[in-house]
Amino acid sequence: AQSVTQPDIHITVSEGASLELRCNYSYGATPYLFWYVQSPGQGLQLLLKYFSGDTLVQGIKGFEAEFKRSQSSFNLRKPSVHWSDAAEYFCAVGADNTDKLIFGTGTRLQVFP
Amino acid sequence: EAQVTQNPRYLITVTGKKLTVTCSQNMNHEYMSWYRQDPGLGLRQIYYSMNVEVTDKGDVPEGYKVSRKEKRNFPLILESPSPNQTSLYFCASSLRGEGRQGGSLNTGELFFGEGSRLTVL
Repeated sequence: AQSVTQPDIHITVSEGASLELRCNYSYGATPYLFWYVQSPGQGLQLLLKYFSGDTLVQGIKGFEAEFKRSQSSFNLRKPSVHWSDAAEYFCAVGADNTDKLIFGTGTRLQVFP
Repeated sequence: EAQVTQNPRYLITVTGKKLTVTCSQNMNHEYMSWYRQDPGLGLRQIYYSMNVEVTDKGDVPEGYKVSRKEKRNFPLILESPSPNQTSLYFCASSLRGEGRQGGSLNTGELFFGEGSRLTVL
């Protein structure tokens, strides 16, 4: 069965700094991969997804993620963080299908001015 | 406005008192799903539905029931709530699309409701 790990529970960055949130998965084949963001008191919103093709995926709000099969990773990046990016970020994995997405435990991002 | 609406948003109840959390979407999505969110555990899937009258268990279905009689509605039923069901619940929906091998699957572009915080005393 597939699984997903987000090693960092909490990350703090300064506004304007670059950001990388880690996501590692366990699955024998190429999974379907997603990043979601949850602002305080809200539901989750899809940032980007990887189904196939180009391994560098662009998303909303200036985020991107790169699928690296050799490292079983799908890390989320942003070159310059804004205070409004403070939120919790979830990586999710789907195996043969996406009806049963497995979510990571989340990484809480704090942004200092 | 495209949205997923959950009710109630907050509820405090007692052990054993049946309750229903409603979920409705206005986007004509085939796929709907329920998750619970607990600190340190992320989101765990309770039940999902690929279309009307088609439901299936997620990872933590014990103590819950669902039904999908209409495309837009997917209520979550707790027949006899217990304190370990105290949690934040999210309903989500999405379209179905084409997978890598051409088959139909959930696009994964889940639209979430705002959540229902349930406390069982």
